[in-house]
Amino acid sequence: QKEVEQDPGPLSVPEGAIVSLNCTYSNSAFQYFMWYRQYSRKGPELLMYTYSSGNKEDGRFTAQVDKSSKYISLFIRDSQPSDSATYLCAMSIYFGNEKLTFGTGTRLTIIP
Amino acid sequence: KAGVTQTPRYLIKTRGQQVTLSCSPISGHRSVSWYQQTPGQGLQFLFEYFSETQRNKGNFPGRFSGRQFSNSRSEMNVSTLELGDSALYLCASSAGVTGELFFGEGSRLTVL
Repeated sequence: QKEVEQDPGPLSVPEGAIVSLNCTYSNSAFQYFMWYRQYSRKGPELLMYTYSSGNKEDGRFTAQVDKSSKYISLFIRDSQPSDSATYLCAMSIYFGNEKLTFGTGTRLTIIP
Repeated sequence: KAGVTQTPRYLIKTRGQQVTLSCSPISGHRSVSWYQQTPGQGLQFLFEYFSETQRNKGNFPGRFSGRQFSNSRSEMNVSTLELGDSALYLCASSAGVTGELFFGEGSRLTVL
């Protein structure tokens, strides 16, 4: 079993919808949680990172962490066609650790 | 500021050959990490170099090796290539203080 599980999708939603992306993990040592976005033929880019349990909001994006359930989520409000990409969750044991454990990614398509 | 540059972008090799991939980090970044991305396994950490020293290593066989030069540029080498080594190899650099990894566009290796 993988340390981080992520539904690969694909997920297609109409423009303007709220998108919910999720990951579960098994290693309770993970303390830092990140979401990366990867466009086709590009490298991943960091969207958000959070520490421990709670919510963090940045514009249309909200990251949520529930350490008791080992479950993290990314919500995208008012989704736009430019949000179409693969979204990867990633986790690490300590801040600044370059060894990240990634989910396999969810491919998201926003339909105009 | 130039991003992370990886060369070559695409390459085809045959089983048993070896390959060397190159990565130039963002100016001023001293940490370089390498990841392998495949559809089934997602991104998997290979190793990380900081100031020419390997600081962290993932669970890959010894056929995978790397090094970092005094100018922070890095190379990774895969010897005795196997079909399963076909993947996108991503390099990421970081300044260390923010915990953010900046990825290049990757080198896509196909092993025939």
